[in-house]
Amino acid sequence: NAGVTQTPKFQVLKTGQSMTLQCAQDMNHNSMYWYRQDPGMGLRLIYYSASEGTTDKGEVPNGYNVSRLNKREFSLRLESAAPSQTSVYFCASSPYGLYGYTFGSGTRLTVV
Amino acid sequence: TQLLEQSPQFLSIQEGENLTVYCNSSSVFSSLQWYRQEPGEGPVLLVTVVTGGEVKKLKRLTFQFGDARKDSSLHITAAQPGDTGLYLCAGVTGTYKYIFGTGTRLKVLA
Repeated sequence: NAGVTQTPKFQVLKTGQSMTLQCAQDMNHNSMYWYRQDPGMGLRLIYYSASEGTTDKGEVPNGYNVSRLNKREFSLRLESAAPSQTSVYFCASSPYGLYGYTFGSGTRLTVV
Repeated sequence: TQLLEQSPQFLSIQEGENLTVYCNSSSVFSSLQWYRQEPGEGPVLLVTVVTGGEVKKLKRLTFQFGDARKDSSLHITAAQPGDTGLYLCAGVTGTYKYIFGTGTRLKVLA
């Protein structure tokens, strides 16, 4: 099925470990996004890529880095995981910035 | 910080009942979107409203954008168990700037 694919679905990290969350879309969308979802906080934008070759910070970028590898793929890296980064992470894509998002099914990350 | 408040936070109703969910802000939005999210999945876009006063219908769901483009409502007629989920509104303030509400968690009991 066409859409946004995220890997892994679940991950447990120890404080200080690093990891990369992968995201790929097959809809030929220009824009891609990383959000985190926390209880009572809603969805908050971490980073976004308006188009291939560009990335920009969102509302909560500290502790994260991103790479727009090509038009299809947008990865999120945690260099030194902290318990505050325990969350559900969603990747999303859209044709352009003003169109609605197509979300992946999420990565549930726990940092202990 | 812009806020988008949704009410109620939780709603548990019987099958066949009607309900309304509200999304309010002090900010003006260029458009507003509604999503539904089921457990373990990402949000799915239901509708986008753009014009102040706009009303859109999606089967038993009716979406309205406030005249001043600061608020929106979602009305469900004759709710069914399949409507159960987390409903999120998202206000669009710029090309890549979306503000998500904290959601209304709806449970429809058979």
